[in-house]
Amino acid sequence: AQSVTQLGSHVSVSEGALVLLRCNYSSSVPPYLFWYVQYPNQGLQLLLKYTSAATLVKGINGFEAEFKKSETSFHLTKPSAHMSDAAEYFCAVTANSGGYQKVTFGTGTKLQVIP
Amino acid sequence: SAVISQKPSRDICQRGTSLTIQCQVDSQVTMMFWYRQQPGQSLTLIATANQGSEATYESGFVIDKFPISRPNLTFSTLTVSNMSPEDSSIYLCSVGGVNEQFFGPGTRLTVL
Repeated sequence: AQSVTQLGSHVSVSEGALVLLRCNYSSSVPPYLFWYVQYPNQGLQLLLKYTSAATLVKGINGFEAEFKKSETSFHLTKPSAHMSDAAEYFCAVTANSGGYQKVTFGTGTKLQVIP
Repeated sequence: SAVISQKPSRDICQRGTSLTIQCQVDSQVTMMFWYRQQPGQSLTLIATANQGSEATYESGFVIDKFPISRPNLTFSTLTVSNMSPEDSSIYLCSVGGVNEQFFGPGTRLTVL
């Protein structure tokens, strides 16, 4: 079984400030972890992913995330928020379990960037 | 990577009718996935469609309500049957494996 918990359904930051979106996961087997972004009225776009290689993963648009097994976390960060970062962000986990793979999404975090 | 297209991109339907959503992938894939995203909520997996076998439905979803076809390795359809306003959602098609998934642009359905 696997699950994802995103802390904070809404996060507001000032333009230029640090962005931190929290994600904790639970998985009975080694997980693969993802962050997706969804802009209003658009589909999902992959930001970055962890697939058991480097624990610090860099993605598009200046975002990065660090896989911390001891904390079962995969928090998303960006040093300086830009207005164009305003969107909804989803953390997701997949795992191979008996040959069946399934993606489980978190409930999402809406990021607001204040000018 | 995979490029996925969906038709229609959006539709407004009357209660009690049915809508079939098409998903086309630019490469052959074994498994295709259908998700629902209700307003203001996250994505929920409806079912997994393997070519040549019946779809596998997640808890809370049944074949009579969401029949799925998978006639070949690049195409699938999802039908939303006997619609009610509660079916108003974005429906997304997806392909991929455990280490990467690709999503279609979604079909935005409004049921009146």
